[in-house]
Amino acid sequence: QTVVTQEPSLTVSPGGTVTLTCASSTGAVTSDYYSNWFQQKPGQAPRALIYSTNNKHSWTPARFSGSLLGGKAALTLSGVQPEDEAEYYCLLYYGGTQLWVFGGGTKLTVL
Amino acid sequence: EVQLVESGGGLVKPGRSLRLSCTASGFTFGDYAMAWFRQAPGKGLEWVGFIRSKADGEATEYTASVKGRFTISRDDSKSLAYLQMNSLKTEDTAVYYCTRDRPIDYWGQGTLVTVSS
Repeated sequence: QTVVTQEPSLTVSPGGTVTLTCASSTGAVTSDYYSNWFQQKPGQAPRALIYSTNNKHSWTPARFSGSLLGGKAALTLSGVQPEDEAEYYCLLYYGGTQLWVFGGGTKLTVL
Repeated sequence: EVQLVESGGGLVKPGRSLRLSCTASGFTFGDYAMAWFRQAPGKGLEWVGFIRSKADGEATEYTASVKGRFTISRDDSKSLAYLQMNSLKTEDTAVYYCTRDRPIDYWGQGTLVTVSS
């Protein structure tokens, strides 16, 4: 069974920079995994932030960026704002089986 | 403005069936693949499955835990996507979301399905 792993929790100071990562149990994450990132705040539906590794949606704030880092998908927040406190989920595509798998989520605290 | 509205959730007994609907507006529905996701209470997100557009043969794929029990379909004339859920189990209890696919962008607000005796 494929497992996608994220940091369970991270803490960052307002104005700081933080990187969230997303690893696959199958090996290095590449652009072929079309990594997506989503933000979810309590009681709300998820909001899409990044698709296909590093592409932003029209509503994605400039301070969010996606990349590949050390064999993992990564989401970097630069100049963190208090409203960025949320749960962040990555999603990877496994083309061989045409399935999508989520990571367990990272709870980001802005303190 | 793109909008997706899920409906059809509710309380259902184990072993029974339920059909969810996703009403789309604000875009040419037939041009897009559609996907379903779910989130059990207090848990993370889970991909359920997708249906490609008619141009891509309306192909479907599902996560292993629902394969053979759930079916995704679409009616482009009504801008509707469906999630037919059969042989429901207590572990299917979740908020179910529909989204546009390729890329996954807009999400609905979700509909709660509770499977309990």
